[in-house]
Amino acid sequence: GESVGLHLPTLSVQEGDNSIINCAYSNSASDYFIWYKQESGKGPQFIIDIRSNMDKRQGQRVTVLLNKTVKHLSLQIAATQPGDSAVYFCAENYGGTSYGKLTFGQGTILTVHP
Amino acid sequence: DAGVIQSPRHEVTEMGQEVTLRCKPISGHDYLFWYRQTMMRGLELLIYFNNNVPIDDSGMPEDRFSAKMPNASFSTLKIQPSEPRDSAVYFCASRLGGSLPNYGYTFGSGTRLTVV
Repeated sequence: GESVGLHLPTLSVQEGDNSIINCAYSNSASDYFIWYKQESGKGPQFIIDIRSNMDKRQGQRVTVLLNKTVKHLSLQIAATQPGDSAVYFCAENYGGTSYGKLTFGQGTILTVHP
Repeated sequence: DAGVIQSPRHEVTEMGQEVTLRCKPISGHDYLFWYRQTMMRGLELLIYFNNNVPIDDSGMPEDRFSAKMPNASFSTLKIQPSEPRDSAVYFCASRLGGSLPNYGYTFGSGTRLTVV
């Protein structure tokens, strides 16, 4: 029969626009969150992280926002460039008895048009 | 540092054969993770080690899968016997433990396994 894969959310933007990628996480005990970028044929690459005692953190052209009330994470990319085209994953590090366990969301495909 | 090193990069094997994937973590990192990535299920955590000891193997799909970490610089993931549904990209990652903010998970380039 025909196999059905994950239907990843997609985001298409024009070069120079700002991009916002969203993620819902699952474990209220998670204490640390990471955004990864994965290009075709490569492993996930670290972008930015945030601890659970923060609600915002900024990097170079990227900002991560954390809303623990609704277990939501977002990644903002300023002045998006064609080289930003990739799949973006959020990951959460479990706290408590599963300390150190890093699990991933399903990913979002970002396509940047020149 | 050369980063997390995985071998082989590609592996094609016949159903029923044993497959061994290898990983060398970053020196000094005391956590090591094995993930599997497929179109069907995304990135799944299979097992992770802390100081060479398996902490959580609840993601290992079945008894055909086993993982070892005989020392701090080497880990293997073995599938015996392999099946076509095991075809996937397998990633190894490592990180430095300790209290925040010294986290940093680094991934290898992955092993693309095809079982025919």
